[in-house]
Amino acid sequence: GAGVSQTPSNKVTEKGKYVELRCDPISGHTALYWYRQSLGQGPEFLIYFQGTGAADDSGLPNDRFFAVRPEGSVSTLKIQRTERGDSAVYLCASSFNLGGINQPQHFGDGTRLSIL
Amino acid sequence: QKEVEQDPGPLSVPEGAIVSLNCTYSNSAFQYFMWYRQYSRKGPELLMYTYSSGNKEDGRFTAQVDKSSKYISLFIRDSQPSDSATYLCAMSRYNFNKFYFGSGTKLNVKP
Repeated sequence: GAGVSQTPSNKVTEKGKYVELRCDPISGHTALYWYRQSLGQGPEFLIYFQGTGAADDSGLPNDRFFAVRPEGSVSTLKIQRTERGDSAVYLCASSFNLGGINQPQHFGDGTRLSIL
Repeated sequence: QKEVEQDPGPLSVPEGAIVSLNCTYSNSAFQYFMWYRQYSRKGPELLMYTYSSGNKEDGRFTAQVDKSSKYISLFIRDSQPSDSATYLCAMSRYNFNKFYFGSGTKLNVKP
């Protein structure tokens, strides 16, 4: 596809369950980013990948959150033992690298996660 | 205190008006500045980006950065009802990685 694709678009689950959120970046984009957006707030950085490796995971709130990008393309954000406070829209973005510098990020439409 | 502050609005203007949207920030290390537009239940859409201080124009949009005041602005000329959305400013220290976003300003352009 032309843009960043995120699946599912909506996810409702019970407190304590495990969830996986998938991001398919724009073809050729080497950098991939995850953000979390709560209602009425701007996106909050979680983690970014340069290729297969996590270049900066300083935004992950605790060890229940984990993300992978094993082949340098698709990424999965994993949340264990979900809590009601994890309810938010999880946004993925990607960018291409030009001359060693990552360019501005392009976002998907997000996964709306609701924890009951 | 948040690193990036943005008035949440809502800002309501008549069609054709000039709109001014602003953000202030506290970290003098920010060098890359972006403006995104976000429609309801959609992801942010990149409008403009600038590096360091100065102005940049693209069609009806002009972005300004004043690093001495730690203040950035987005101007929209001849505003249209289709411009009604939430506008997010974002900034970063190194390249375009790890953005710090404002909370967004909701704009409503009335026909």
